Order: sequence, then structure tokens, then C-alpha cells
Amino acid sequence: GENVEQHPSTLSVQEGDSAVIKCTYSDSASNYFPWYKQELGKGPQLIIDIRSNVGEKKDQRIAVTLNKTAKHFSLHITETQPEDSAVYFCAASPNTGFQKLVFGTGTRLLVSP
Amino acid sequence: DVKVTQSSRYLVKRTGEKVFLECVQDMDHENMFWYRQDPGLGLRLIYFSYDVKMKEKGDIPEGYSVSREKKERFSLILESASTNQTSMYLCASMGQGIYEQYFGPGTRLTVT
Repeated sequence: GENVEQHPSTLSVQEGDSAVIKCTYSDSASNYFPWYKQELGKGPQLIIDIRSNVGEKKDQRIAVTLNKTAKHFSLHITETQPEDSAVYFCAASPNTGFQKLVFGTGTRLLVSP
Repeated sequence: DVKVTQSSRYLVKRTGEKVFLECVQDMDHENMFWYRQDPGLGLRLIYFSYDVKMKEKGDIPEGYSVSREKKERFSLILESASTNQTSMYLCASMGQGIYEQYFGPGTRLTVT
């Protein structure tokens, strides 16, 4: 089955710096790759996603890139702010006919003022 | 806004007890999921349901069962709680043909 690896497990940056979180997946048939943000005391919330027929997607300060050949995708956050501090999860959806998600192990991002 | 609610934020149970975790969504979503979240392991799928009375095993179903008698409600059952089931449990719902999952706030279960 699908396996998703995520790095780093923790990331500390200064406010205004950029942050990059990377994920790799094993199933070349996976076709959907979302990123979720989990703030303290809350459930994860979708922040951006990308499909396998697209190489890059951007939404204001966040962007996701996908390299299907290498089977990896990344989340880029520019001009980080303290409110970006949270746990981020990547996920992949195996092409099994049902929209299940396999999640990575999470990255705790800390943005210091 | 989609709202997914879970019956308890914190729960403490004793080993061997039967435990019910309830999840309710208000968006008429067909699909519902139960995950457990553990540090360093991310979110792991326990069970999911794509319709009333339908259920499918996820990646870690052992020791759990589920019930979906109504479209809006999905229950996770621990028949005989064990200490290794101490975890954060997250419920999610998703509309048909839509990939976004909406999560509840989670239930932190401690089994002593």
C-alpha cells in the first residue's frame, strides 16, 4: 500500500523567513496530494492541495510543488508569521477508487517573532 | 461552514471497559472516517464509512469496531479498552466527489 514519509519532524524559523516541508510517497498511482494544518487544540484543516496533472500551485504565501518522477512533493511557506506555527501534515490519495488519504508523520513548525 | 463535533474532548477509561466515541457532522456528507493520532506516527486510519450501515477497515482496525446507523453519525467502539489505545482520536467527514476532509477537534482518550 501507499507509504508517505515527511521531513523534517520539527522546523524552527524566524518570522519573515521561508519554510519548506518535504514528503515522498511510494505509490506511483497516487493522484491527489493535500496539505493539512493543525493548530493547537483543533483538528487538521486543509490549506492547499495539488493533483497529479499539475506541477505547482500557489495560494498567497503558500505553494506546493509536485515531482511525479521522483515521487515527492513539498510545501513552501514564504514570509512566515507567528500564526503559521502549527503541525503540518502531507497526505497522498492512492488511486483505489475511493478517496482515502494516507498521511505523513507531521512537521511541527515554530515561527519565532 | 461544515461542522464536525465529537462527543468528548477528554476521556479517561479503565482497562477492559467498553468505550464509545461519537462523531456527528452537519453537512450531509456520505463519507466519514476515524483516525488515531500519535506523536511521530501521524494520522492513521482506523475505519471509514461511505454510506449508512456501510463500513470498511482502514490501516489499523484491530481492537476497534464502528457503527453508522444514521448518515450524520459515526461511532467508534473499543470493545475492551487497553492501555495501548491511549491516543488522540479524530473524526472526519467528506462529501461525495470532493477530496477535502473536515475534521472534528478530537477526543483525547486515556486508558489506565
